[in-house]
Amino acid sequence: ETGVTQTPRHLVMGMTNKKSLKCEQHLGHNAMYWYKQSAKKPLELMFVYNFKEQTENNSVPSRFSPECPNSSHLFLHLHTLQPEDSALYLCASSQEWGPSTDTQYFGPGTRLTVL
Amino acid sequence: GENVEQHPSTLSVQEGDSAVIKCTYSDSASNYFPWYKQELGKGPQLIIDIRSNVGEKKDQRIAVTLNKTAKHFSLHITETQPEDSAVYFCAAKVYDKIIFGKGTRLHILP
Repeated sequence: ETGVTQTPRHLVMGMTNKKSLKCEQHLGHNAMYWYKQSAKKPLELMFVYNFKEQTENNSVPSRFSPECPNSSHLFLHLHTLQPEDSALYLCASSQEWGPSTDTQYFGPGTRLTVL
Repeated sequence: GENVEQHPSTLSVQEGDSAVIKCTYSDSASNYFPWYKQELGKGPQLIIDIRSNVGEKKDQRIAVTLNKTAKHFSLHITETQPEDSAVYFCAAKVYDKIIFGKGTRLHILP
């Protein structure tokens, strides 16, 4: 495995629910990412955290709220989601975020279904 | 901004034959080009990468070529095996952003 774990692996929620996705990396990396993967579309970067500080927010709706308490853990808090938010949510990590850092390591993803 | 186009979207090859997946990018400042393989139920896994100062890189049955002038790069898989069946993504990095292609679903036919 890649050293990046995600829980839960599957999640079904109603539009009024509140849930959280969790990601943990065991690689000693300092940057962590959330991506959204939908069918027929490229991977969409949502958020980037570098040394626990958010450095990227790619115009993600406020119903998605990230949290990075330390360099090893990343959460994505979900509330009042829409059916079109159903997708595979992937967490990734890399040594750092910046021009000199390249390889990202992905977790297995959380398959989210919003009813 | 950077745009990455990937072709084909689906590719079927006979086991033992070669498979080629092609990507083009738009920003000449892109300097790093990884390829990821995603199997069912798993996240993307890096299989090979190439930097802009290199034209070709090989790792056993997998090779990647880069043509900076034409702004395209390709993944070559030789002697394909059933376990090569997966979705493959190319990507290009420009400054601190990595942009992914839409993916190619590779089927290896028995």
